[in-house]
Amino acid sequence: NAGVTQTPKFRVLKTGQSMTLLCAQDMNHEYMYWYRQDPGMGLRLIHYSVGEGTTAKGEVPDGYNVSRLKKQNFLLGLESAAPSQTSVYFCASRPGRRIPGELFFGEGSRLTVL
Amino acid sequence: AQTVTQSQPEMSVQEAETVTLSCTYDTSESNYYLFWYKQPPSRQMILVIRQEAYKQQNATENRFSVNFQKAAKSFSLKISDSQLGDTAMYFCAFMKPPWAGYGGSQGNLIFGKGTKLSVKP
Repeated sequence: NAGVTQTPKFRVLKTGQSMTLLCAQDMNHEYMYWYRQDPGMGLRLIHYSVGEGTTAKGEVPDGYNVSRLKKQNFLLGLESAAPSQTSVYFCASRPGRRIPGELFFGEGSRLTVL
Repeated sequence: AQTVTQSQPEMSVQEAETVTLSCTYDTSESNYYLFWYKQPPSRQMILVIRQEAYKQQNATENRFSVNFQKAAKSFSLKISDSQLGDTAMYFCAFMKPPWAGYGGSQGNLIFGKGTKLSVKP
């Protein structure tokens, strides 16, 4: 059972470079999320999606873009990476609007921007 | 906006003893969910326990239990018979019910900043 899979697990970028983090879930979940985790800050929501073709901003969306072209995939893009985006990124998913319950998380992706 | 506060950045406990991690939250909602997640050094976020606000009975999961005080907006986690494998960051989290309306932050988790727990042999 794969659950939520994030790729890549680690990446080092130079300032100004672009990259995309891929999140894939095989549980047929409607909702998907991208969080970032920084020391002493807990997890903060970047963007989320309540279904295929829809996205919405979270608490800290600036500098990121997302897309949900397929239900099972949620992509997080950095168009021009900045050192402030050095963080660990977590993708999560959960079943749907009418189904209460916890989020299922991926293993995280550590991004370093030099 | 909802906020979640964990006032203990770090705690330690001896193996086999009991420890309580504190969490308070602020919300104007009457119905919501509360969670404790564990993050071991492997980084994987693992659900420990969850509580539904409309249920008065405190949730329990084996050695883990909560003390949910709705009026005080308090949600503490008690770990009994602590084990070395309990060493991890623990995050308290709040969720508005996902059916609470369209748009906004329904169904999103709001996290506290975490408590680093060390279990000592």
